[in-house]
Parts: sequence; structure tokens; C-alpha cells
Amino acid sequence: GDSVTQMEGPVTLSEEAFLTINCTYTATGYPSLFWYVQYPGEGLQLLLKATKADDKGSNKGFEATYRKETTSFHLEKGSVQVSDSAVYFCALSDGQGGKLIFGQGTELSVKP
Amino acid sequence: EAGVVQSPRYKIIEKKQPVAFWCNPISGHNTLYWYLQNLGQGPELLIRYENEEAVDDSQLPKDRFSAERLKGVDSTLKIQPAELGDSAVYLCASSSHSGRQNEQFFGPGTRLTVL
Repeated sequence: GDSVTQMEGPVTLSEEAFLTINCTYTATGYPSLFWYVQYPGEGLQLLLKATKADDKGSNKGFEATYRKETTSFHLEKGSVQVSDSAVYFCALSDGQGGKLIFGQGTELSVKP
Repeated sequence: EAGVVQSPRYKIIEKKQPVAFWCNPISGHNTLYWYLQNLGQGPELLIRYENEEAVDDSQLPKDRFSAERLKGVDSTLKIQPAELGDSAVYLCASSSHSGRQNEQFFGPGTRLTVL
């Protein structure tokens, strides 16, 4: 079945460092891809999405490109802030009623 | 615009007791989802509703779990009886309609601890 694999955390960075969180997926069809973020004590929030190959999703300085050839959707940010500390989830939607299939999450901790 | 509301936020019960979680989706959202999130894992779908109809409940353990969405708005998820392994966060989400491109909006979740 469809699945998502993320790099394991926790990831600890200093403020203004470059961030990459790797995400790869397995899917039989043509899924949409998402990054959700979960701040402490809050619900999951959509960070960005891409619905077809070569699309780039971006929001709040984060970006990710849908790479069909490598089945990847890596999350990047050029300069992280302390306020970016959260758990990041990569997910795909398999088209079956919009069901989301999530990776295991990657915890990011940004130190001042 | 109010977000997805869930209650309670936290619940502690002893094993074999029943428990229920409530969800109020965003107004006008026809599709409602219940997800289970174990510690250190991503959420997994339990059930999806289109209006009042459960259209995907293949992952719902029906021997002890039940759900309903009366009038196609609020929804309740119930566990009876609860087991130690049910300790997790139960998330509710809603979207304007189903489809692979549609954003799902999540509530804060209910953290269940079974002792």
C-alpha cells in the first residue's frame, strides 16, 4: 500500500541555520503531497502542498518540490527561527476520499 | 472562522471503562475524519464521513470502537471497553469536501490515557 517515510528526529539546529527534512513516498497513483506542522499543544496545521509532479509548495519561508522521479518531497528552509520548533509531518493523499497517509513525523528544535 | 473543536482535551480512565470523544467540524464542511495518533507516530485514519454517512471505516476496530455523525455535523467516537493499548491522541479533522487536493483542518485532539 501507499506509504510515507521521513528522516528520523529529533533535528536540532541553531537559529538561522539551513533546514532540510527528507521525505520519500510510495504510491501506486498520482498523489498530492503535503507538509503539516504541529506546534506544542496545538493541532496539525497545513504548511504547504503540491498536487502534481514538479510543483513547488511554499509558505512562511518553507518550500518543497514534488519530485516524481525520486518519489520525494523534501522540506527546506533557508534560515530557521526558534519559533519554527515543532513536529513536521509529511503526508500524501491517495485520492480515496482524501485520506491522508502520514510519515512518522520529525521533531525540530531550534536553539537561539 | 472557528476551527475544529474537540472535547475533552484530556481524558484518563481505567481499562474496561467506556469513553467518548466529541468533535464539532468547521461550519459547512461536509467531510469529517477521525484519526488515531500513537506517541511518536503520524496519524492514521479510523473513519471518514461524508455528511452523515460513514464511507470509509475499514480501519475502525469495530469490536470496541463506534462512531456516529448525527445530522451530518457533530461527531462522536466511542470506545467500549477501553484497553491499555488505546492510550493515544484522537484527532478530528474536516474538509469542505473529499478529494486528494483538499486541505484537512485538524482539531487539537483528545489525549486518552488508559490505566
